[in-house]
Amino acid sequence: KQEVTQIPAALSVPEGENLVLNCSFTDSAIYNLQWFRQDPGKGLTSLLLIQSSQREQTSGRLNASLDKSSGRSTLYIAASQPGDSATYLCAVRQETSGSRLTFGEGTQLTVNP
Amino acid sequence: DAGITQSPRYKITETGRQVTLMCHQTWSHSYMFWYRQDLGHGLRLIYYSAAADITDKGEVPDGYVVSRSKTENFPLTLESATRSQTSVYFCASRGHFTGETQYFGPGTRLLVL
Repeated sequence: KQEVTQIPAALSVPEGENLVLNCSFTDSAIYNLQWFRQDPGKGLTSLLLIQSSQREQTSGRLNASLDKSSGRSTLYIAASQPGDSATYLCAVRQETSGSRLTFGEGTQLTVNP
Repeated sequence: DAGITQSPRYKITETGRQVTLMCHQTWSHSYMFWYRQDLGHGLRLIYYSAAADITDKGEVPDGYVVSRSKTENFPLTLESATRSQTSVYFCASRGHFTGETQYFGPGTRLLVL
């Protein structure tokens, strides 16, 4: 059974800092990996999706990398801003699970002004 | 408005009552999903549907029923609500082609007394 772990569970940084969020998964036979953002009381918003054949994806200040063989992904946020404060979740789609996603529990990020 | 909507946004009910949560999407996405989000468990898949009249169980289907008579709607029914079903419920959808992003609704907060 696939298990997805995100470390740390919570992170507090000063504004302007570059930071890295980590995601690890136990079964490397994945189809893709997705990073989401969740604001308090809201749904999830997709940030980046990396196919299993890709090494990284970039969108603005966000860069996500994928090392499928080692079961790891990182989300890099450059020049963090208070508006980046949210919970960040990663989710993997297995090759054999059809459309199912397995989620980590998330990293709660606070960026202090 | 385009997108994915859920109703009601908040619901309080009593043990043993039947409750139906509604989900509607305007993109004509093939796939639709129901998740629940709980502290300590993250997001877990309840049921999903690949197309109208096609549904399948997820990780935690017990106590729930779904139907999909129309592509755009995917209601989730709790036949006899229990306190353990107190949770935040998210509906999501995605297009047919593999690799496409899942888009989430705003969620329904359900409290079972």
